[in-house]
Amino acid sequence: AQTVTQSQPEMSVQEAETVTLSCTYDTSESDYYLFWYKQPPSRQMILVIRQEAYKQQNATENRFSVNFQKAAKSFSLKISDSQLGDAAMYFCALSGTYKYIFGTGTRLKVLA
Amino acid sequence: NAGVTQTPKFQVLKTGQSMTLQCAQDMNHEYMSWYRQDPGMGLRLIHYSVGAGITDQGEVPNGYNVSRSTTEDFPLRLLSAAPSQTSVYFCASSYSLEGHYGYTFGSGTRLTVV
Repeated sequence: AQTVTQSQPEMSVQEAETVTLSCTYDTSESDYYLFWYKQPPSRQMILVIRQEAYKQQNATENRFSVNFQKAAKSFSLKISDSQLGDAAMYFCALSGTYKYIFGTGTRLKVLA
Repeated sequence: NAGVTQTPKFQVLKTGQSMTLQCAQDMNHEYMSWYRQDPGMGLRLIHYSVGAGITDQGEVPNGYNVSRSTTEDFPLRLLSAAPSQTSVYFCASSYSLEGHYGYTFGSGTRLTVV
């Protein structure tokens, strides 16, 4: 069975600082994709970043980057220069057969 | 460029009532799906469709029906609402059937069953 685990229900970060959100997963597939989604208070699910499992290079999108450790089945999200607008729920997701498997989410608070 | 449109945004139902949550996309995506989001449980797949006329069950299908008569529309029907169906519902679509480029989500429907 495919699983995604986010062990940090809540995290806090000072504005302008860096924070890392953790995600571990399990899958028997050799070809898969991993995603981080942001859900602000508006409830909209926004794709932050995606990683292709067969690519060793870690994905980056502006202030967002991932640390993808395939052997350890770990996929953490690093947010640099945190901004107040980064405050949201963050979900890690794994591509499955015609579906995504989501983690339970990490609520990120950004302190001014 | 509307993307994925869900209606209504909020709904309160009485136990036993039925209703349909609407979902429409204008991106010509073949793949569409419905998820429910509950506190502490992430998002769970209810039903999905890989094209017009083709639907299948997800992880939590009981109490819900779907149909896909057109590429654009994928409504979710609650047959007889129960308090356990109180949740936030998301419709999602994808260009690729495998979702490798990410899903586009609607803005969600908050449903309360009393």
